[in-house]
Amino acid sequence: AQTVTQSQPEMSVQEAETVTLSCTYDTSESDYYLFWYKQPPSRQMILVIRQEAYKQQNATENRFSVNFQKAAKSFSLKISDSQLGDAAMYFCAYRSGINAGGTSYGKLTFGQGTILTVHP
Amino acid sequence: DAGVTQSPTHLIKTRGQQVTLRCSPISGHKSVSWYQQVLGQGPQFIFQYYEKEERGRGNFPDRFSARQFPNYSSELNVNALLLGDSALYLCASSLDWGIGEKLFFGSGTQLSVL
Repeated sequence: AQTVTQSQPEMSVQEAETVTLSCTYDTSESDYYLFWYKQPPSRQMILVIRQEAYKQQNATENRFSVNFQKAAKSFSLKISDSQLGDAAMYFCAYRSGINAGGTSYGKLTFGQGTILTVHP
Repeated sequence: DAGVTQSPTHLIKTRGQQVTLRCSPISGHKSVSWYQQVLGQGPQFIFQYYEKEERGRGNFPDRFSARQFPNYSSELNVNALLLGDSALYLCASSLDWGIGEKLFFGSGTQLSVL
């Protein structure tokens, strides 16, 4: 079974600075997607960025970028120019590929989350 | 356009009761997934439905069931409630059921079992 580990329960950053959130995962599959989701106090999970395992290039979405190291099974999120609105719980998630089959298809496996605090 | 809507927002039940949670996906989205999020943890996958058929099931007991209607809305039913069922239940929708599809989540239903 796939597992996702976020080893940083809490992180903090000064406004306008850069912060990196860590995520590692364990899988024997070659085809999968990785995601970072943000969950603010409103509880709604918001997609921040996604990465396909077959793509070498790291995904980027405005101030958010990832460092995807497939061999090391590492998927970190970098937030540049941090803003107060970035404060939230961040979850790393893994989604099994088309070859996984069975009842796990489409399942998102989440890590335990990292609480990000942004200081003004 | 409206996002994913879930009802009710909050719910209080007692042990042994049954509960039904409802989810309306974003217009045009044909896939709905359900997740359970216990306080302080990441969400756990319960079900995925696409075109009214169950496409995926997580490691939950048979007390949990779901269905998807012709208009793509969905209900999650939990029978014989236990204290451990207290959690935030999240619904997510996507256009299709491919693994790369972006999931859009609702704000959840907070279920408290007393």
